[in-house]
Amino acid sequence: AQSVTQLGSHVSVSEGALVLLRCNYSSSVPPYLFWYVQYPNQGLQLLLKYTSAATLVKGINGFEAEFKKSETSFHLTKPSAHMSDAAEYFCAVKGSSNTGKLIFGQGTTLQVKP
Amino acid sequence: DGGITQSPKYLFRKEGQNVTLSCEQNLNHDAMYWYRQDPGQGLRLIYYSQIVNDFQKGDIAEGYSVSREKKESFPLTVTSAQKNPTAFYLCASALTGNSFSGANVLTFGAGSRLTVL
Repeated sequence: AQSVTQLGSHVSVSEGALVLLRCNYSSSVPPYLFWYVQYPNQGLQLLLKYTSAATLVKGINGFEAEFKKSETSFHLTKPSAHMSDAAEYFCAVKGSSNTGKLIFGQGTTLQVKP
Repeated sequence: DGGITQSPKYLFRKEGQNVTLSCEQNLNHDAMYWYRQDPGQGLRLIYYSQIVNDFQKGDIAEGYSVSREKKESFPLTVTSAQKNPTAFYLCASALTGNSFSGANVLTFGAGSRLTVL
């Protein structure tokens, strides 16, 4: 069965600093992996997705993630944090069945300090 | 613009009452999903539907019911049997629910926040 673990429920960085949000997955089949962002009291917006085409995936708003099979990781990074990046971030893996459903991690809240 | 509309955005309910959350999409997506979000627990799947007139239980279906009479609509009823219904509810849709492709991305609505008084 697939599962996702996000390390750190809260991450705080200074504006302009590197953002690193960690995600490890467990999957018995080649995984499809996603990062979503959620602003307060809103739905989730897709940041990027890994579908086996390339291990380094670029997304919106300057975010990118690297798939590392040997480490079963899919960490999200951004070179320079903006105040507008403050939000909750979710890593997700597609379930093994053909139902399209996603399995989500617990989420990481990113705080950006001025 | 195509998208998913959830209503109401905020809802208050007295204990013992059933409430229905609306989810409508104009994306012509076949598959629709309901997730529940609680602080620190991520999103948990309540029900999903891959096609009209068919739906399946997710991981936490107890105390909830759904219907899928139209392709564009997937309402969720929170019944009085749900012990702890206060949460943020998110509806999502995908082009197809019958695919192994990672390209089949979920699109989410803005959510409905239910509070039990």
